[in-house]
Order: sequence, then structure tokens, then C-alpha cells
Amino acid sequence: DQQVKQNSPSLSVQEGRISILNCDYTNSMFDYFLWYKKYPAEGPTFLISISSIKDKNEDGRFTVFLNKSAKHLSLHIVPSQPGDSAVYFCAASTDSWGKLQFGAGTQVVVTP
Amino acid sequence: GAVVSQHPSRVICKSGTSVKIECRSLDFQATTMFWYRQFPKQSLMLMATSNEGSKATYEQGVEKDKFLINHASLTLSTLTVTSAHPEDSSFYICSARGGLGRITDTQYFGPGTRLTVL
Repeated sequence: DQQVKQNSPSLSVQEGRISILNCDYTNSMFDYFLWYKKYPAEGPTFLISISSIKDKNEDGRFTVFLNKSAKHLSLHIVPSQPGDSAVYFCAASTDSWGKLQFGAGTQVVVTP
Repeated sequence: GAVVSQHPSRVICKSGTSVKIECRSLDFQATTMFWYRQFPKQSLMLMATSNEGSKATYEQGVEKDKFLINHASLTLSTLTVTSAHPEDSSFYICSARGGLGRITDTQYFGPGTRLTVL
């Protein structure tokens, strides 16, 4: 049962434009959400997180928005750069052990 | 930032042998470490959670006798794949989380280990 869903397996965006990645979840008990970036044959790199008490968190070019009523979050990257080309994973946590449920990932390709 | 290392980065072994993978938190004490497995073009699947000094908690469907996890110190956890078979070939990634009792501590991931069983 996939509790975290990233329905877009890939996204192509032009350099300098905005990348918008979406993530939906089904478990209303999730209270902490994270985005990770992953290059092939490497471990995920933490990008940004948001707790359920907020609806927006911003860090440089990255902004995460959380809509609890819709059980939806999104990651905005602006402006997109070629180095942003990677797979982006959405993850959510619900318990004190910090176990993360991951989405399937979205492959982002930033073209010149 | 928090740095997590894994060793080896790549290992090829014969079927039936055992392989040990180390995960170290280099600049922080990891009260909890996690082991994931990733198949090509798929998401990360949590295999087990380990806390220093206690037995690991395995996810449903993961054989604890096949995937032995030891978390002997606050900076080191090991995963041993026993009697490896070709279907165990995968990308194994560990993560570490520090801070006692803080739900929102971020997990920092190691670079992963590519295991190929011939």
C-alpha cells in the first residue's frame, strides 16, 4: 500500500524556469514531510522539510508547500539549473522512530 | 552538515557467500540508523530500523536471519547479507538520525552500496 505517491515519473523543464514537483499522501497521521534529491548510484541528499504545523517553508531556490486538507505537498525550484537534474523523492514520517515512507520519485531534467 | 559514509561502495560476490556493509555517521552520534534497499528505477524500501545497543526492527517481509543488522555504537551500524543469492543484488543505502526523542530529526543518507551476486 503506497501511502506516499508521486504520480509524475518525469518532468522536463527549461533552465531558468520553475520546476514544480507534486506529492500526495493518504495517511492523515503523517506530520513531517521531506524532499530528497538523488543522483544515480548515490544516496539521497536532504533538500528541505516541512512539519504539519506549517504550510510553507523556503530555503534558497527551494520552497515546499503543504496543503493538509488535500493531503498534498509540492516542491518548487526556481530558477531551475542544469545541476538540478536528478530524481526527487518525497518522504513522510508519522512516528517517533522517524521511519520514512518514500514516494516513487520524479526524474527532473533541466534543459539548456 | 551531517555526513554518513558506507563501505564498500561496490561489492561483487559469489552466490552463497556473506557480505558485510558498514554504515558510519562521521560527525554526529546516530541514535537510530535505517537500512533501505532500492531496485532500479524504484523507490527506497525500508528494510529495518536499528537503535544503538538493541535489536533491529525489521519491516514486514524482510528476513531477519538473512539480513543481519548490528548497531554496536552510536556511529556504526552493519548490515550482513548472509548466504547471498542473485536476487539479493540491489543498491543498499543506510541513513542515520541523531537526537534523542526528537521526532523531526532529519535522516541523512549514506552514498549507498551496490551489491552484485553472481
